[in-house]
Amino acid sequence: DVKVTQSSRYLVKRTGEKVFLECVQDMDHENMFWYRQDPGLGLRLIYFSYDVKMKEKGDIPEGYSVSREKKERFSLILESASTNQTSMYLCASSRPGVAYEQYFGPGTRLTVT
Amino acid sequence: QQQVKQSPQSLIVQKGGIPIINCAYENTAFDYFPWYQQFPGKGPALLIAIRPDVSEKKEGRFTISFNKSAKQFSLHIMDSQPGDSATYFCAATYFGNEKLTFGTGTRLTIIP
Repeated sequence: DVKVTQSSRYLVKRTGEKVFLECVQDMDHENMFWYRQDPGLGLRLIYFSYDVKMKEKGDIPEGYSVSREKKERFSLILESASTNQTSMYLCASSRPGVAYEQYFGPGTRLTVT
Repeated sequence: QQQVKQSPQSLIVQKGGIPIINCAYENTAFDYFPWYQQFPGKGPALLIAIRPDVSEKKEGRFTISFNKSAKQFSLHIMDSQPGDSATYFCAATYFGNEKLTFGTGTRLTIIP
């Protein structure tokens, strides 16, 4: 059974803290993605990685950075968390050339107080 | 140009009814249109997908209808069940693009 796992289901952080969200996939996929999901706004792409150490900004990269040191692992970093980053964060992966089929993790509900 | 507009934002249908979720796009380069289903507490999962060279695709009780000239596509759920209650996202992509553009989602509730 293919899997994308995320390090935490729920996370509460204080404003200004540095936050790390971890994602691991076991499908040997080249592509990995970070999205945030907000009611009425759908899934918005934060960052995309198409290979180890390779990344591309998505639609809303401001306030975020990413790291991909190993193929299976993709990390999202909030350098200085702010209340407007309270959201559901979803990680996904896919094979190259099969963009329509992304596999998602269960999400991390982040609350910044 | 990259947007995919989805409606309605929420939908309540009685069991056995046929909920319809609509999406529209502007970018004529889009050539693959998947739908994702997300249950509470889970990530979205691919449900069904269509290419614009067909006008309709069925998988079980789920049907995608596609109108290329209008740049619209829709999801129909036949004989809907309470277990179909979920959030549905339409999406679009094109050959050579590794990313998906998602609609804003429809929260569907099927009442017994």
